[in-house]
Amino acid sequence: GDSVTQMEGPVTLSEEAFLTINCTYTATGYPSLFWYVQYPGEGLQLLLKATKADDKGSNKGFEATYRKETTSFHLEKGSVQVSDSAVYFCALRGGKLIFGQGTELSVKP
Amino acid sequence: GAVVSQHPSRVICKSGTSVKIECRSLDFQATTMFWYRQFPKQSLMLMATSNEGSKATYEQGVEKDKFLINHASLTLSTLTVTSAHPEDSSFYICSAPTGADSVRYFGPGTRLTVL
Repeated sequence: GDSVTQMEGPVTLSEEAFLTINCTYTATGYPSLFWYVQYPGEGLQLLLKATKADDKGSNKGFEATYRKETTSFHLEKGSVQVSDSAVYFCALRGGKLIFGQGTELSVKP
Repeated sequence: GAVVSQHPSRVICKSGTSVKIECRSLDFQATTMFWYRQFPKQSLMLMATSNEGSKATYEQGVEKDKFLINHASLTLSTLTVTSAHPEDSSFYICSAPTGADSVRYFGPGTRLTVL
């Protein structure tokens, strides 16, 4: 069945560092891909999405490109802030919405 | 943007009692809502799909008699954890799709602790 695998956390970075959170997927067909963010004590919020190969989703300085050839959707940000500290979930939707296990990001001043 | 609310945000109950969690879509109608369970530092696991006007669809391994779902209206779905036990303690999150591309909006979650 469909599945999503994310790099394990926690990831700890200093402010203004470059961020990459790896995400790979297994799916039949052509799923849509998503990154969700969960801030402490809150529900999930959609961060960005891509619906077909080579699409780039972007929001709040975060980017991810749908790579069909490597079945990946890595999340990147050039300069993280303390306020980016949260748990990030990669997800795919073919029929159902399936989440990766989440990656906790902690950004230190 | 669309908003999904949940109530209560946190509940503590005694073992053997039942707890009802409400999920509301505040500015849109949702014929379908999804209930997830999240264990600490783990992913969201889909429990069931709530359908307005018909029975919920449960994922494999989820006890339908224990987790009762009622989609009472186009803006309200409820999850009742019956005869709760400590192993039911978890973070329960609902979600509803809206818009032409069915973007999912998530509630803030309900933290259930069963003593």
